Amino acid sequence: DTGVSQDPRHKITKRGQNVTFRCDPISEHNRLYWYRQTLGQGPEFLTYFQNEAQLEKSRLLSDRFSAERPKGSFSTLEIQRTEQGDSAMYLCASRTSGANTGELFFGEGSRLTVL
Amino acid sequence: TQLLEQSPQFLSIQEGENLTVYCNSSSVFSSLQWYRQEPGEGPVLLVTVVTGGEVKKLKRLTFQFGDARKDSSLHITAAQPGDTGLYLCAGAGGSYIPTFGRGTSLIVHP
Repeated sequence: DTGVSQDPRHKITKRGQNVTFRCDPISEHNRLYWYRQTLGQGPEFLTYFQNEAQLEKSRLLSDRFSAERPKGSFSTLEIQRTEQGDSAMYLCASRTSGANTGELFFGEGSRLTVL
Repeated sequence: TQLLEQSPQFLSIQEGENLTVYCNSSSVFSSLQWYRQEPGEGPVLLVTVVTGGEVKKLKRLTFQFGDARKDSSLHITAAQPGDTGLYLCAGAGGSYIPTFGRGTSLIVHP
């Protein structure tokens, strides 16, 4: 039984570089969410997919951020021209659309440090 | 935007003490979840409450959903060091986008 997996777990990069995170959801889950969490805060919603369709994006998701889920399975979150303010934990979560109770199953997160 | 306020923000107690953390909103939620998160890890679901006034127990943890489905509480009896972590509440309305509170950071000292 595999849960949500994220890669890499940690990424250190220099300001201005591009980074990409990958998320593999639980296989039968068709909804996939990306959240960002900074120290002392709860997770903040970035975007979510149902199958391959990106249904909603937060205003937090600037033009430098792009997310894809090309085949409705794994997803990638790319940040271009990283800034120090992008340093955070990027969390991926998944769930089935059939469940109407809002429960999310999270991966272990990808921690980004921008120097 | 549905906002969830959690209190207290920080809690540092001795092993064996009881504690209650609160999650409040002005919005009505169709369901509310409690998660626990350890440093460097993703949140792990503890419980979902759905019905107003509902009480759920998970060993030493008791969760209550307010009658109006706008607030919730988590009570821990005889806290243990293994309970240390960040406790997050999250509410789901009709948008299927769960909104999280800032969390309550709990430290239980042996």
